[in-house]
Amino acid sequence: QLVLTQSPSASASLGASVKLTCTLSSGHSNYAIAWHQQQPEKGPRYLMKLKSDGSHSKGDGIPDRFSGSSSGAERHLTISSLQSEDEADYYCQTWAAGIGWVFGGGTKLTVL
Amino acid sequence: EVLLLDSGGGLAHPGGSLRVSCAASGFTFSSTAISWVRQAPGKGLEWVSAISGSGDGTYYTDSVKGRFTVSRDNSANTVYLQMNSLRAEDTAVYYCAKEIYSNPWGLNYFDYWGQGTLVTVSS
Repeated sequence: QLVLTQSPSASASLGASVKLTCTLSSGHSNYAIAWHQQQPEKGPRYLMKLKSDGSHSKGDGIPDRFSGSSSGAERHLTISSLQSEDEADYYCQTWAAGIGWVFGGGTKLTVL
Repeated sequence: EVLLLDSGGGLAHPGGSLRVSCAASGFTFSSTAISWVRQAPGKGLEWVSAISGSGDGTYYTDSVKGRFTVSRDNSANTVYLQMNSLRAEDTAVYYCAKEIYSNPWGLNYFDYWGQGTLVTVSS
């Protein structure tokens, strides 16, 4: 079964960095994922796609402060120089033929 | 500029029907697959349905099969989700999302999203 696991919450201080993690279920550790950001009361916004080797490609207008990396079954989203507008929910998403689109449960990021 | 505009949400009674729409612009609509993704109050994102660019291929999550129908009018750059036999658990904000498939990555993902339309199922 294809499952994406995310911690429900994370927090970091204004100007600091934070690393969010999305873990792929057993047997799917080589899958690519996408990261999406959802600010309060808004629709989601695509941030980047991320491969198992850590290579990533960002969406239009996504600042350099956002980057991705991978380690085994873990896919990471790192946000540096945190700003107040980075306070949002972050979702990872993947896809497989015959299964369809799968989302992680989301991580709520609080900027202190 | 890519734009997706969701509309048509509202209040429906259990067992009732509602149709939501997604009007698109800024890309080659007829060659682009579109999905519907919903978000129940206070919950995460859940993929609901998808339709291929031509409209020949349609896909549904198990919980809506037989009740929801996705369609598109490529002359109007619009995708529709007809929702019948609505249940309380269908209450959610419904987002349309533009799909893109990256063959080298083996990943089908969403690169643009609508703003969402709220569907409330209640007596």
